Amino acid sequence: GAGVSQSPSNKVTEKGKDVELRCDPISGHTALYWYRQSLGQGLEFLIYFQGNSAPDKSGLPSDRFSAERTGGSVSTLTIQRTQQEDSAVYLCASSLGKRGNSPLHFGNGTRLTVT
Amino acid sequence: SQQGEEDPQALSIQEGENATMNCSYKTSINNLQWYRQNSGRGLVHLILIRSNEREKHSGRLRVTLDTSKKSSSLLITASRAADTASYFCFNNAGNMLTFGGGTRLMVKP
Repeated sequence: GAGVSQSPSNKVTEKGKDVELRCDPISGHTALYWYRQSLGQGLEFLIYFQGNSAPDKSGLPSDRFSAERTGGSVSTLTIQRTQQEDSAVYLCASSLGKRGNSPLHFGNGTRLTVT
Repeated sequence: SQQGEEDPQALSIQEGENATMNCSYKTSINNLQWYRQNSGRGLVHLILIRSNEREKHSGRLRVTLDTSKKSSSLLITASRAADTASYFCFNNAGNMLTFGGGTRLMVKP
């Protein structure tokens, strides 16, 4: 079946512009996670959605970052007024179980470059 | 604070040798998971071990969990060049969703 789909695969933007990154999770997965990964580094937690509950936004690095999940399915991560330090690969994952209690299925990520 | 730490950060071995990487965590866990990442893109799930399990196998992979030491290890036996990748542990301890810093494994043919 279809896996987690992220778009775009690559995004180059100018400093100060806004960007939207999209994630289509696996159908039926109620949990959705966003992480970012700088070159050669580990994964940094950003935000977690579970069903219709309020999301866990504890990992968002600043108020320039926001995310929503419409209808319990597709999620959009928005970065406003992008900065060069926002350059990274943004990874989305979904899972059947809650809060890391079952395997996470990852998309291939969006590589964001801020020039 | 980071809930998962891995060592070594990098490991280089010859094809056919075994590779062992370790992961430590700081608070009680429900489960611990291992993932593999090729080329800096999406991670692939390898094994999930629950807190009441001590060892789990999947093909050439063996994972152990020592809750008294708050540590886990991933053993890859008879390594192949195709095993070259970064390996990450993940846990949901302390209501966090944390990946370790990863071990970069290189298997030389």
